[in-house]
This record gives sequence, structure tokens and C-alpha cells, in this order.
Amino acid sequence: DAGITQSPRHKVTETGTPVTLRCHQTENHRYMYWYRQDPGHGLRLIHYSYGVKDTDKGEVSDGYSVSRSKTEDFLLTLESATSSQTSVYFCAISSGLDYGYTFGSGTRLTVV
Amino acid sequence: ELKVEQNPLFLSMQEGKNYTIYCNYSTTSDRLYWYRQDPGKSLESLFVLLSNGAVKQEGRLMASLDTKARLSTLHITAAVHDLSATYFCAVDISGGADGLTFGKGTHLIIQP
Repeated sequence: DAGITQSPRHKVTETGTPVTLRCHQTENHRYMYWYRQDPGHGLRLIHYSYGVKDTDKGEVSDGYSVSRSKTEDFLLTLESATSSQTSVYFCAISSGLDYGYTFGSGTRLTVV
Repeated sequence: ELKVEQNPLFLSMQEGKNYTIYCNYSTTSDRLYWYRQDPGKSLESLFVLLSNGAVKQEGRLMASLDTKARLSTLHITAAVHDLSATYFCAVDISGGADGLTFGKGTHLIIQP
């Protein structure tokens, strides 16, 4: 979507390796979120941020960490990837003012 | 803990028919969202419902919100094949601070 980009779009990694996914926005929105999508579960919140260096855990945060050192970037790190973290990861942004959420194009991560 | 339940989770219907997808949620909120997702794609915003009794329509889709019953509906009128997709409802109880909580999605197949 315009104003939000995720990288990489696809990644295959080995079990036990660290992986970092990047979300970049050009909208200067305050709130940023990481979700994972798995069949039968919808989208589940991993971590979210309400400002630079202000982050909090979501529903499924175990095995993940995040960092937000600049307004525009929100990084999701899998500290030691496991096969259960094979998923599609979506980043989203919101200003909190106009009730809108915008989602990125997603990153398909496969852990082998 | 907020729970969002959609039903049905899977729906196969014929073109020209009408049907309704239901979204129930467990905690008071007056902000409910409907999204569409095509296979391999990101989420496309369909409707944002922000008050009790809100009704929005776009083409063959109409969404409504009853905050007292904690229920939203997505009604499909005279379905066409192009509406085949997965539809998600999502609830916001914090004005953006904690993100959206999603239902598991309704996989809709419309057959000619």
C-alpha cells in the first residue's frame, strides 16, 4: 500500500537463525503494528509501537522482539527462528486520529 | 480479553444469491472494521463503522453495526463471482493504541 513498505517480501531461513523483517512508513503515523497470519487464525498481533522506543507485546509475542528507533521504521526480529514461525507477516500503521489502518503487502517467511 | 468471532468461516454460494456474514465481539466497542483479502494479497479496507446503528454500503456489500448486541453484519446482495475472497472483521477498543483484534475470517466462494 502507498506509504508503507515491508521488506523482504519473501524469505526462507534455517531453524535457529535470527531474522529481521522491516516495516517502513512515509506517513509519519504514530502507531505501528506487526501481525502474523496463519490459516484458521486470522491475523494475530505480535507487537506494537505507540512512538519511538515505545513498544508493547501483543497476543503472540513469544520468540519475537521489536525495535523502533525512528518514527518511520519498525523492525521485527525473530531471535532464533523456529518452524512454528513460518507465516505471513503484516505490518500496519495508524495515526490514531482518523480511525484508519493501512496494511503493508506482507512478508512470507518460511523456516526450514 | 477481547474475542471476535465470525460465522460462517466458510461459505460457498451461487451467483445471484444473498447472504450475510456475522461478526460478534465480546467487549464494548464502537469501532469495527471489515476487510477483504484475495489470495496472496494484503488486506483491503471495505468499511469502517464508528457508531451504533452505522450502516455503510458499497456496491453489493452492506455493513452494519449494533454496539448494544456487539454484532456487525456484512450482507452480500445478488452475489457475483468477483466477490469471492476472504472477509475479516476486526475490532478496535483503544483508538489505535492496542491495534485491531481480528476474527478468523470468512472464506467466501461464489460459483457461477
